[in-house]
Amino acid sequence: GNSVTQMEGPVTLSEEAFLTINCTYTATGYPSLFWYVQYPGEGLQLLLKATKADDKGSNKGFEATYRKETTSFHLEKGSVQVSDSAVYFCALQGGKLIFGQGTELSVKP
Amino acid sequence: GAGVSQSPSNKVTEKGKDVELRCDPISGHTALYWYRQSLGQGLEFLIYFQGNSAPDKSGLPSDRFSAERTGGSVSTLTIQRTQQEDSAVYLCASSKLAGERQETQYFGPGTRLLVL
Repeated sequence: GNSVTQMEGPVTLSEEAFLTINCTYTATGYPSLFWYVQYPGEGLQLLLKATKADDKGSNKGFEATYRKETTSFHLEKGSVQVSDSAVYFCALQGGKLIFGQGTELSVKP
Repeated sequence: GAGVSQSPSNKVTEKGKDVELRCDPISGHTALYWYRQSLGQGLEFLIYFQGNSAPDKSGLPSDRFSAERTGGSVSTLTIQRTQQEDSAVYLCASSKLAGERQETQYFGPGTRLLVL
């Protein structure tokens, strides 16, 4: 069946550091891939998405590229801010969403 | 409405009682999804609706869980004879179309359920 695996957290970075959160997936067919973010005390929000191979999703300085050959959708940001502290979820969708386990990011000033 | 709304935001109940959780999707969205977020299990799919019918109920953990949707809008998730392992945040999401891989699902704030 379909599944998503994310790197485990928590991840702690200093402000302006480079961020990578790894995400790999197993799927039949051609799912869309998503990153959702959950800020403290808030609900899940879409961060970015990609619907086909080699697509790059981007938003708020975050980027992820749909890599079919490596079945990956790693999240990157060149310079994180304290306000990026949140839990990040990678997900695939072939109808319903299947989520990874989430990665907690903490950015220190 | 402006976004997906859920009520109540918090619910504390005693083991064995029934609870009802409500979801009001974005106006015009035909698809509605229920998920559960718990410490041990992460984010799990429960059920989704296309209009008023539920083509996929595969995530409902037991027959104590049921859901309905009326008028293609509001949905209610009912948990009968609650158990402590039902404690979780129950999330509702909606999208314009159902079963479409590229459609974005928009989430509500969730209902935090605590079973004592």
